[in-house]
Amino acid sequence: VVLTQSPATLSVSPGDSATLSCRASQNIGTTLAWYQQRPGQSPRLLIYAASTRGAGIPGRFSGSGSGTEFTLTISGLQSEDSALYYCGLLTFGGGTKVEI
Amino acid sequence: QVLLQESGPGLVKPSQTLSLTCSVSGDSVNSADYYWGWIRQHPGKGLELIGYIDNSGSAYYNPSLQSRFTVSIDTSDNRFSLRLTSVTAADTAVFYCVRVSRSDIAFDSWGQGTLVTVSS
Repeated sequence: VVLTQSPATLSVSPGDSATLSCRASQNIGTTLAWYQQRPGQSPRLLIYAASTRGAGIPGRFSGSGSGTEFTLTISGLQSEDSALYYCGLLTFGGGTKVEI
Repeated sequence: QVLLQESGPGLVKPSQTLSLTCSVSGDSVNSADYYWGWIRQHPGKGLELIGYIDNSGSAYYNPSLQSRFTVSIDTSDNRFSLRLTSVTAADTAVFYCVRVSRSDIAFDSWGQGTLVTVSS
């Protein structure tokens, strides 16, 4: 499965919402996760099973989609949300850089 | 709370074998709910799954990678390991050990990562 993320970079202002997309090359149902990697840190799981938040993840992170089209939405963006975001299954997408 | 800690050399010479170990606390690698795996990240690049292993020792490897990788598990010491043979400069990367949810195929816990540089 090839995962394609868009856009490559997203520049937003604090308080805005951001919508990140991930497209799968074949139907993967809802077996998709989203990860956040802040600069200099390990990635952390945000969303699994397409829409379930990981442990301790704030409610402003939400995931949706199924089949081949998936979306990660971050509402009320904060400076700490500046990071790379990857969608993944057993492979990973190329990532979206969110700049705030 | 599960904690994963990678250990191993930070510098390896070309053609040598790299061995990394991930020590697990707060969970058992004998758990039937999880796999235990390795992910690498080349400098400034994205994430790449190397492979993962279950508590019986059955391993899955990323088919796009060469077969120089071996993942093993030690349930008595609650740790698992990665072996990479014949390293080259192209193997310079940060290596993360991860816990993988079997039900969701999600990497739900990550080690801090260890940078391995291949250089003479």
